[in-house]
Order: sequence, then structure tokens, then C-alpha cells
Amino acid sequence: DQQVKQNSPSLSVQEGRISILNCDYTNSMFDYFLWYKKYPAEGPTFLISISSIKDKNEDGRFTVFLNKSAKHLSLHIVPSQPGDSAVYFCAASAGTNAGKSTFGDGTTLTVKP
Amino acid sequence: NAGVTQTPKFQVLKTGQSMTLQCAQDMNHNSMYWYRQDPGMGLRLIYYSASEGTTDKGEVPNGYNVSRLNKREFSLRLESAAPSQTSVYFCASSRTGGPSYEQYFGPGTRLTVT
Repeated sequence: DQQVKQNSPSLSVQEGRISILNCDYTNSMFDYFLWYKKYPAEGPTFLISISSIKDKNEDGRFTVFLNKSAKHLSLHIVPSQPGDSAVYFCAASAGTNAGKSTFGDGTTLTVKP
Repeated sequence: NAGVTQTPKFQVLKTGQSMTLQCAQDMNHNSMYWYRQDPGMGLRLIYYSASEGTTDKGEVPNGYNVSRLNKREFSLRLESAAPSQTSVYFCASSRTGGPSYEQYFGPGTRLTVT
């Protein structure tokens, strides 16, 4: 049973437009959520996170929204740039084991010039 | 400040051979992790170490063993490699106790078992 799901394997957007990546989770014990970005042949790098006590966190062009009742979070990238083309992983953690995360399968974002 | 380093970068093994993947971090993190990533899939946790001296199984521990050698180093051993263990292996580290829990990843080891 996959506890963190990213239902869109891929997403293609035009440069300058908004990219919206979605993630759903099933475990109600998750209270900390993270997004990572991964380029080919590199390890994932942390992008942005949100605690369950918030419903929005913003960092420059990146905003994460959390809807706890729907067990859904999304990552918005505005404006999208070609350098944002990468695989994006959603991850979730629970309580005192907050460092230990469960990852989704990733969404490949392609930003076209 | 190198972050998380992994050796080797690439490895080809024959079925039944053994090997150890090395990982080290210089960020004074307490927690360290080993993941595997198969094509089209996310990162699946093999083992983790919440602090020096402790290790715990993750989602896919079968066929692997780990050693937390000290606070900096966390190694992953394949005792008898199988083709199903062909994958990319990532080591990661993180703080324990917040306020943020992001993991820092190494560049990965691409392992092929023939």
C-alpha cells in the first residue's frame, strides 16, 4: 500500500507559466511534508517543506500548499524556468521519526522554452 | 564542506559476489539513511540509523546489512548480490529533533548485478 502517491508521472509546461505538481497521502500520522528535486545522475536536493500546522509555505518562486482534510499537497512553481526541468519527489514524515521520510514515485517536469 | 559522499560511483557485480557501499557525511548529522531507486519509482528506504550505535530496517531490507561505523560513516553491504539488486543506491543524512528535517543526499552509486 503506497502511502504517498504522485499520480502524474510527467508534466510539461511553457516557460513563464505556472507548474503545479500534486501529491496525495493516506497516513494521517504524517505531519511534515517535503519536496525534493532531482536532476539526472545526481542525488535529490531539498526544495521546500511544510509542517501540518500550516497550510502554505512560500520560498521565492516555490509555494507548497497543504490540505489536511483532503490529505493533499501541491507544489506551485511561478514562473517556471527551463532549469526547473527535473524529477520532483514528494515526501512525508511522522512525529518523532520526522527525519525518516516516505517518498512518492516522482513527477518529471519539463519546462519548454 | 563535501556534504554526503558515496563510493564507488559505479559497480558491476556477478550474481553471488559481495560488496560494501561506503557513505560519509561531514555535517554532524545524527541520522543517516540508505535508499534504492529503481526506474520509474521513488526512493525506497533500505535501512536507517537514527543515531550512532543504532540501526533499523526500512521498507526493503532483505539482502542487505548495514554498519554505522561512527557518527560520520554508514555503510551498506550486499553479502550475495542478486540481479534484483540492480539499482541506484543513495545515502542521505539529516538532523534529529528539528526544527527542520530535510535530508541531504549523496550523488548515488549505480550498481548492476549480472
